[in-house]
Amino acid sequence: QPVLTQPPSVSGAPGQRVTISCTGSSSNIGAGYDVHWYQQLPGTAPKLLIYDSNNRPSGVPDRFSGSKSGTSASLAITGLQAEDDADYFCQSYDSSLSGSHVVFGGGTKLTVL
Amino acid sequence: QVQLVESGGGVVQPGGSLTLSCAASGFSFSNYGMHWVRQAPGQGLEWVAFIRFDGSDKYYADSVKGRFTISRDTSRKTLYLQMNSLRPEDTAVYYCAKDVLDSNWYFDYWGQGTLVTVSS
Repeated sequence: QPVLTQPPSVSGAPGQRVTISCTGSSSNIGAGYDVHWYQQLPGTAPKLLIYDSNNRPSGVPDRFSGSKSGTSASLAITGLQAEDDADYFCQSYDSSLSGSHVVFGGGTKLTVL
Repeated sequence: QVQLVESGGGVVQPGGSLTLSCAASGFSFSNYGMHWVRQAPGQGLEWVAFIRFDGSDKYYADSVKGRFTISRDTSRKTLYLQMNSLRPEDTAVYYCAKDVLDSNWYFDYWGQGTLVTVSS
């Protein structure tokens, strides 16, 4: 089971706004570790979309934004476009008694209607 | 531009071994930490292993600890993953991914992946 919890799917019509949640715990997001988001188009490798919770790499449209609060984070996409139809994964770092390592959410399939 | 090209995937029987390679170009390979991340068919992403820029530290997911070994050859600009005692649950696309710095623990570039199938 993924350490971070995401909804399996979300959908929206072109032009609408959608959000994807990512829920963690006190050993990862709640411990202050940053959250990063990746977009995976069908049949391709993941691509960094948001880093350090709310920063966009060069070339990522400002329609994508991130936020973090407590033990959760969110990815917001405004002005939905057909090309946004993809899987989205959140990622953080987890430090617990069993060790420290990278953790991912299970992924959210965004369908643009 | 940054390029990461994996190779070495294929079909292997349970209990067998396989070594994956990842050829890096377009950046100063010796300055960055590197990771392996896998994705089982139709599933999510799972971090597998990390090696520091100079190879001094290595970390593994519990699911592969003791069976997989990550290494790097700076002169060849190549990352490796030696996989032993393979299990059907190791079946996945394996991606190599570049750390943002040495050990920031997230990935700014990914390879295209190589498929490993463990089956009899």
